[in-house]
Amino acid sequence: GNSVTQMEGPVTLSEEAFLTINCTYTATGYPSLFWYVQYPGEGLQLLLKATKADDKGSNKGFEATYRKETTSFHLEKGSVQVSDSAVYFCALRDAYGQNFVFGPGTRLSVLP
Amino acid sequence: NAGVTQTPKFRVLKTGQSMTLLCAQDMNHEYMYWYRQDPGMGLRLIHYSVGEGTTAKGEVPDGYNVSRLKKQNFLLGLESAAPSQTSVYFCASSSPRGKTGQNEQYFGPGTRLTVT
Repeated sequence: GNSVTQMEGPVTLSEEAFLTINCTYTATGYPSLFWYVQYPGEGLQLLLKATKADDKGSNKGFEATYRKETTSFHLEKGSVQVSDSAVYFCALRDAYGQNFVFGPGTRLSVLP
Repeated sequence: NAGVTQTPKFRVLKTGQSMTLLCAQDMNHEYMYWYRQDPGMGLRLIHYSVGEGTTAKGEVPDGYNVSRLKKQNFLLGLESAAPSQTSVYFCASSSPRGKTGQNEQYFGPGTRLTVT
């Protein structure tokens, strides 16, 4: 079946450090890929997405590229801020479109 | 445009009591979902619906029932609450895959349920 694997963390960084959160997936066909962010006490919000191979999603300084050859969708940001502290979820929507599969989430803490 | 809303936001139940969680969306989405989120367990799908009048079981359906009588609403029921159902419950909605630019799920703010 479909699955998503991501580094579970927690990840602790200093402000302005470079961030990478790895995400790899297993799926048949061509899934859509997403990164969601969850701030404390809130629901999940879409951070960025990519729907086909080599697409790059970007938002708020975060980027991720859909790599079909390595089945990966790693999240990166060049300079993190304290306000980026949250839990980040990698997810896919399968080729048939009904259901979504989420990774376990990665907790990021950014220290001033 | 409120997006996805959930009521109530918080609830405390005693073991054996029943309750219904309400999810509403104003985006005309065909698909709706109920998840639970527990520490260290990520998001787990309870039930979902691909249209008015249809529901299907997800990964952890036992102890829950759902109904989708109107397209915009998706209700999650607990008939006899148990402490193992203490969790944060999230509702989500989406369009069918293929609608340009609308592939993602939209989430509600969550309901924090404690069963004592």
